[in-house]
Parts: sequence; structure tokens; C-alpha cells
Amino acid sequence: DQQVKQNSPSLSVQEGRISILNCDYTNSMFDYFLWYKKYPAEGPTFLISISSIKDKNEDGRFTVFLNKSAKHLSLHIVPSQPGDSAVYFCAARPAYSGAGSYQLTFGKGTKLSVIP
Amino acid sequence: DSGVTQTPKHLITATGQRVTLRCSPRSGDLSVYWYQQSLDQGLQFLIQYYNGEERAKGNILERFSAQQFPDLHSELNLSSLELGDSALYFCASSVATGVGPGDAQYFGAGTRLSVL
Repeated sequence: DQQVKQNSPSLSVQEGRISILNCDYTNSMFDYFLWYKKYPAEGPTFLISISSIKDKNEDGRFTVFLNKSAKHLSLHIVPSQPGDSAVYFCAARPAYSGAGSYQLTFGKGTKLSVIP
Repeated sequence: DSGVTQTPKHLITATGQRVTLRCSPRSGDLSVYWYQQSLDQGLQFLIQYYNGEERAKGNILERFSAQQFPDLHSELNLSSLELGDSALYFCASSVATGVGPGDAQYFGAGTRLSVL
């Protein structure tokens, strides 16, 4: 059972336009969400995160929106640049349970291609 | 460069064999996490160590084991290898157990294991 779903395996966007990557989750215990970017032959790189007490977090060209009632989050990249071409993973983790465990549950990723 | 070092980058071995993957976390990070990424799959959490102690277990097979040493580097041991164990294995580290929202996981470049 996939608890974090990225339903679009790929996305192509023109340079300068907005890229919107979507992520849905099913586990209501998740309260912290992260986006990672991955280039070929490299490990995932932390990009931006959001706590469940917020509905928006912005960092430069990257904004993450969280809709808790819909169990949906999205990553907006504006404006998109060719260097943004990579695989983007959505990840989620549950609230602190006292066990000290913060395992991340990842989606399968969306490959973004930004066309010059 | 995330500061997390994984060796070797590539490993080719035969079924039934045993291999050891090594991870050096970022300076100051106490937690080490291991993930497996098979073809067309997201990252699957295997196990977490914090300051030398096992903290959480995910989908880790009994044929796999890990440990974290006093100098905080970690090793993932895979034994009785099967064809299906061929995958990318990532190590990540974080400052603490992941308590605070800012305690993101930083990933190494991965070890690509090919079991022939």
C-alpha cells in the first residue's frame, strides 16, 4: 500500500513557466512533508519542507503548498530553469511518537524536464 | 556535495555472496539511515541508527543487517544475495533523531549493487 503517491511519472515544462509537481498521501499520521530533488548518479538533495501547521512555505523560486483536508501537497517552481530538470521526490514522516523514529516515506518520484 | 560519503559507488557480485556497504555521515550528524531504491520504485526505508544504537526498522530483510560504529560511520551488510537485491542503496544522515522540523536527512550518492 503506497502511502505517498506521485501520480505523474513525468512532466515537461517550458523554461520560464511554472512547474507544478503534485503529491498525495493517505496516512493521516503524517505531519511533516519534504521535497527532494535528484540528479542522475547523485543522491537526493533536500529542497524544501512544510509542517502540517502551515499551508504554505516559500524558499526563493520554490513554494510548497499543503492541503491537509485533501491530503495533498504540491511543489511550485517559478520560473522554471533547465537546471531544474531532475527527478523530484515527495516524502512524509509522522508526528513524534516518542520512539525516536523519523523514517521518511517516499513517493516514486516525478521526472521534470524543463525545455529551453 | 551533501557531506555524506558512501563507498563503493558500484558493486558487482554473484548470487549467494555477501557484501558490505559503507557510509560516513556529515560531520556532527548522529543519525544514519539506509534506504533501498529498486527499479521504478521510490526509496524504501531499511533501518536507522542513532549514536550507535538501532532506532527504527523498516522493510529490511533478515539477510540484511547494519551497525553504526563509535566514530558514527555505518555499514550495511547484505548476505545470501539474490538477483532481486540489485538496487541503489542510499545512506542519509541527520543531526539528531529527526525531532525538529529542521532536522532534514542528507543523502549520499549511493552504492549501485548488481547481483549477477
